[in-house]
Amino acid sequence: DSGVTQTPKHLITATGQRVTLRCSPRSGDLSVYWYQQSLDQGLQFLIQYYNGEERAKGNILERFSAQQFPDLHSELNLSSLELGDSALYFCASSVGGTDLEQFFGPGTRLTVL
Amino acid sequence: AQSVAQPEDQVNVAEGNPLTVKCTYSVSGNPYLFWYVQYPNRGLQFLLKYITGDNLVKGSYGFEAEFNKSQTSFHLKKPSALVSDSALYFCAVRPRGTGNQFYFGTGTSLTVIP
Repeated sequence: DSGVTQTPKHLITATGQRVTLRCSPRSGDLSVYWYQQSLDQGLQFLIQYYNGEERAKGNILERFSAQQFPDLHSELNLSSLELGDSALYFCASSVGGTDLEQFFGPGTRLTVL
Repeated sequence: AQSVAQPEDQVNVAEGNPLTVKCTYSVSGNPYLFWYVQYPNRGLQFLLKYITGDNLVKGSYGFEAEFNKSQTSFHLKKPSALVSDSALYFCAVRPRGTGNQFYFGTGTSLTVIP
């Protein structure tokens, strides 16, 4: 168990809908990262937050947004969902903003029907 | 563009035999290099990393990786495979001095046959 928690474990929704995924980092970690894992694209970095501020941005669609709250938990919001958004979404955390080791949560499996 | 390649989607090896999972990368500068393992329905777990120094890096569970700068490769190895090593393995790189963005390979599924 990495100490990173993600809710929900599974989410099934319809195209056009909006969902929110939640991540709680390990105690003491200030950075949160979001990744999307799909069969055809592999593991793609979406975005990083460090102590409430956006730190790095990857292949995140404009329909997706994230934020990190004062208690350091983070939420990933996915809107106008499409079939292709079906994937495993992982959250990871690290102590600092540039740490080399990230600790991954168990993931949220999103299915868009 | 930065990229990481794991040329084999699937690797099968007999228990007790040595295993190698290949990784090559195309990233500017001298990146940090990583291996992660993913068991079914679990998140990724850190195995080992290369920062600098000795080209052979030792990590968790008896795994090691060999860095080859001229070939831009970072192959994962283990002298004697266990059935419990069966999992999905990801190579990752992080360019130096460019924030903390990681680039992952597409993963290699390792099956150790009893």
